[in-house]
Amino acid sequence: DQQVKQNSPSLSVQEGRISILNCDYTNSMFDYFLWYKKYPAEGPTFLISISSIKDKNEDGRFTVFLNKSAKHLSLHIVPSQPGDSAVYFCAATDSGAGSYQLTFGKGTKLSVIP
Amino acid sequence: GAGVSQSPSNKVTEKGKDVELRCDPISGHTALYWYRQSLGQGLEFLIYFQGNSAPDKSGLPSDRFSAERTGGSVSTLTIQRTQQEDSAVYLCASSQYRGGHGYTFGSGTRLTVV
Repeated sequence: DQQVKQNSPSLSVQEGRISILNCDYTNSMFDYFLWYKKYPAEGPTFLISISSIKDKNEDGRFTVFLNKSAKHLSLHIVPSQPGDSAVYFCAATDSGAGSYQLTFGKGTKLSVIP
Repeated sequence: GAGVSQSPSNKVTEKGKDVELRCDPISGHTALYWYRQSLGQGLEFLIYFQGNSAPDKSGLPSDRFSAERTGGSVSTLTIQRTQQEDSAVYLCASSQYRGGHGYTFGSGTRLTVV
């Protein structure tokens, strides 16, 4: 049973436009959410995170929105750049569980077209 | 080292053989995680080491999988009697503190069982 779902396997966006990547979760114990970015043949790198006490966190061109009632979060990239082309993973954790293991979605492959 | 180092980067093995995958975490990082990513799937948690505490092995898929962490540093993931479904990219991550935002991933070992 997938506890973190990224229903769009791929997304294509024109350079300069907004990219919106979506993520849904089912486990109500999750209270910390993260986005990772992965280039081919490299490990995932941390991008941005949000705690469940917030509904928005912004870092430069990247903003994560959290809707706890809908168990939904989204990553907005504005403006999108060709270098943003990568696979984006949504991840969640129950920080009270102790191990901080992350539960990942299957990823969304973003292609930014110049 | 400057980053998390994993070796080998690629491994092809025959079904039924044992394999060992190595992870060298960032110096001083007390937490070490193993994940794997099968084709078309998200990252799946395998095992977590934190300092001298007993590891959290809850993600290991079968008793053919085991892992050790010697001296609180280097970790080895061993898969005995490999099966084709073990084919995946095995990723190691380390962090200074427990917390997903502190994870640094290695580039992974791509294991192919033929």
